[in-house]
Amino acid sequence: GAVVSQHPSWVICKSGTSVKIECRSLDFQATTMFWYRQFPKQSLMLMATSNEGSKATYEQGVEKDKFLINHASLTLSTLTVTSAHPEDSSFYICSARGGGADTQYFGPGTRLTVL
Amino acid sequence: RKEVEQDPGPFNVPEGATVAFNCTYSNSASQSFFWYRQDCRKEPKLLMSVYSSGNEDGRFTAQLNRASQYISLLIRDSKLSDSATYLCVVNRGRQLTFGSGTQLTVLP
Repeated sequence: GAVVSQHPSWVICKSGTSVKIECRSLDFQATTMFWYRQFPKQSLMLMATSNEGSKATYEQGVEKDKFLINHASLTLSTLTVTSAHPEDSSFYICSARGGGADTQYFGPGTRLTVL
Repeated sequence: RKEVEQDPGPFNVPEGATVAFNCTYSNSASQSFFWYRQDCRKEPKLLMSVYSSGNEDGRFTAQLNRASQYISLLIRDSKLSDSATYLCVVNRGRQLTFGSGTQLTVLP
């Protein structure tokens, strides 16, 4: 099956710093990538949808200036958490979908801890 | 009201037991339906799609009732390795909406 990687798998940072998370589709071209966030004992919540070469569409309540998404190529999307604070600590998961297909392939997730 | 609702559990069952999970969704325009499995600190993985005619994959049976907007998952002959959180997922307009999950622990 299709493979999606995320890097880093975990990160610990100080409050106020920015953190970049990469999501790569390894064996297919991902025309659309999704970014989710999951807090402990809660479900995955969609943060934003990004299509290659265009601006991301953010879900209601997600600050686009705080969570910067770049989908510059068909195999790479990045999420940058700017000026991270402890309340941003969460499990961030990306998924990717190829053109014309409905199946989303999930990355292994990135666990962010902000001290 | 949440778009996808599930009983959070936990369900603690002995090995070999049969267990059923239920899920309801609020948007009648939802187009496709899935059950995902998520292990602790891991990403969700597709378990099976759900069809109105009902579908079975080994020990797992899924059922969809569009009129009632209700989805179910039945696990027969539970194994220890079935312990996980089971997520009910609904697709509308090519976006997935996840339920909060039902936690299952299969006990030896």
